[in-house]
Order: sequence, then C-alpha cells, then structure tokens
Amino acid sequence: DQQVKQNSPSLSVQEGRISILNCDYTNSMFDYFLWYKKYPAEGPTFLISISSIKDKNEDGRFTVFLNKSAKHLSLHIVPSQPGDSAVYFCAAAYNQGGKLIFGQGTELSVKP
Amino acid sequence: GAGVSQSPSNKVTEKGKDVELRCDPISGHTALYWYRQSLGQGLEFLIYFQGNSAPDKSGLPSDRFSAERTGGSVSTLTIQRTQQEDSAVYLCASSLEGTRLGEQYFGPGTRLTVT
Repeated sequence: DQQVKQNSPSLSVQEGRISILNCDYTNSMFDYFLWYKKYPAEGPTFLISISSIKDKNEDGRFTVFLNKSAKHLSLHIVPSQPGDSAVYFCAAAYNQGGKLIFGQGTELSVKP
Repeated sequence: GAGVSQSPSNKVTEKGKDVELRCDPISGHTALYWYRQSLGQGLEFLIYFQGNSAPDKSGLPSDRFSAERTGGSVSTLTIQRTQQEDSAVYLCASSLEGTRLGEQYFGPGTRLTVT
C-alpha cells in the first residue's frame, strides 16, 4: 500500500527552465511534507518542507506547493541548474518527529 | 562537524548468514532512524529510536530484523538468516530532538548484497 507516490520516475529539463516534480498521497492524516534530494552513493539531504496549514513555502529557487483537497504536492525549481540533477524524494509524516513515508523518487536531469 | 557515519559501506554475504550494520549518529542527536532502499524503490522506514522511549519497530519486515541503540548513541541493525530480498541500501538518519520536523540527517548508507 503506497501512501506516497511519485508517478514520474524521471524528468529531463533544459538549464534555466522550470522543473516541476509531483507527488501524490493517500493518507489525509499526514500533516507535514518534505522534499529530499539524493546524489548517487550519498544519503538524502533535506531540501524544503511544508506544513499542512500552508499551501506554499518558498526557499530561494525552490518552492513547494500543497493542495490538500487533491492530496497533491509539487516542487518547483526555478531556474534549473545542472547541479540540480539528482533523485528527488517526497516524504510525509503525521506527527512531530518519527518516521517519514517516502515516495519512490524522481530522477531529475538538467541539461546544459 | 562530523555527519552520520555508517559501516561497512558495502557488505556481500551468503544467503542464510547473519549481518550487522552500524550507525554512528551526529553527536547530541537523540533521535535515530533506520530506512532501506531496495532497487528502484523509495526509502522504506524500518525502526525509530527517540531518547529513552520504546522504539517504534513498526517498519521491520520480519522477526529476522532487530536493532539496538546502546547508550543513546551508536545503533546496530542486525539481520539474521539473510535472504536475497534483503539486498538493499540500508540508510541511517539522526535528528536533534525539538528541531523543526524534517531535518533528519542521513548517512551514506550500507549497500547489502545477499548472494
């Protein structure tokens, strides 16, 4: 039972353009959502998060949007850079601390 | 400062053998998590330690899996009688109690291959 889903295994974007990574969830009890970035042979690193009481959170080139009615969140990267090429995981939680439920990941490739 | 470290980085073992994976969290972090990533899959939660509370073992896939955290610091994940489906990258993370949720710092992982 996959509670967090990333339906696009890969995405290719031209440098300077916008990257949009999508994530859907099924559990309405989730109240916190996060994006992690992972390079090969390294552990994931935290990128940005959003509480369920908000619908948008922005940090530099990265913005996360949350649509609770649709149980959907997205990560926008503008402008995309070649160094952004990595696997991006969305994750969800329903308490402060504790386990994270991850999606399968989307591999982003930003071409120069 | 030092991040989360894990050892070994790679482990190849024969089916049926026991293995131990080690995690050294960031000093002072009271919460410690184990996840695993199988080929082509997302990260799957295994177990979570928080201070002196009873661990959340809800993600352990079978009773062949167990974990300990000694002295509130180092943790060992043990897999008994390994099976081929146990092959995965095992990731450890730690976080500082009271910090904003999400700041789990991950180690580089241990790649386990069961032949």
